[in-house]
Amino acid sequence: EVQLVESGGGPVKPGGSLRLSCAASGFTFRSYIMNWVRQVPGMGLEWVSSISSGGDSMKYADSTKGRFTISRDNTKNSLYLQMNSLRAEDTAIYYCVRLISEYGNYSYFDQWGQGTLVTVSS
Amino acid sequence: DIQMAQSPSSLSASVGDRVTITCRASQNIGRYLNWYQQKPGKAPNPLIFAASSLQNADPSRFSGSGSGTDFTLTISSLQPEDFATYFCQQSYITPYTFGQGTKVEIK
Repeated sequence: EVQLVESGGGPVKPGGSLRLSCAASGFTFRSYIMNWVRQVPGMGLEWVSSISSGGDSMKYADSTKGRFTISRDNTKNSLYLQMNSLRAEDTAIYYCVRLISEYGNYSYFDQWGQGTLVTVSS
Repeated sequence: DIQMAQSPSSLSASVGDRVTITCRASQNIGRYLNWYQQKPGKAPNPLIFAASSLQNADPSRFSGSGSGTDFTLTISSLQPEDFATYFCQQSYITPYTFGQGTKVEIK
């Protein structure tokens, strides 16, 4: 059974830092592009960042570029998100999400963790 | 960035009703359009990918159609477990973007 388990969320003051982790199991982690997607509770979804299967290519939403860093450790089946210079608008549930491709190049988010809540407030 | 506009933002329907949700992309995305269902307190669950391909475990009352900029999610006969929020998402190019969601409520 595929499992993605996030941790590391919690309260933090504006300007502070937080590191999220995601422990993956039940699949060959090193073979998949992994992502972080966030959601303000009760609101819409926002893709935050993605990292290639080998960890050598990263992409970011403009809202997080320069402040967030995505990384992975394929020996530990783990995904990370280092979040610096946090702002109130970063308050959200952060999901660890697997990206899968079908029919060659049609990709979608097929496995989601349960999410971890980050609250940025003074 | 590609903007995704969903309509309606919410709807009320009865068990057995046929429900249609639309999603419009701000530019041509071919068939790179996915649909997700989200229930309160849970993570989103994929329903349809590549505009019309049903995810393995999903019942056939769900169907998707469209290409280019205009897409539709249809539930042929609404069941009690289908009351949820539905999101579209384009996977044509990063940043991947989502529609704002359509909440399907019980009439």
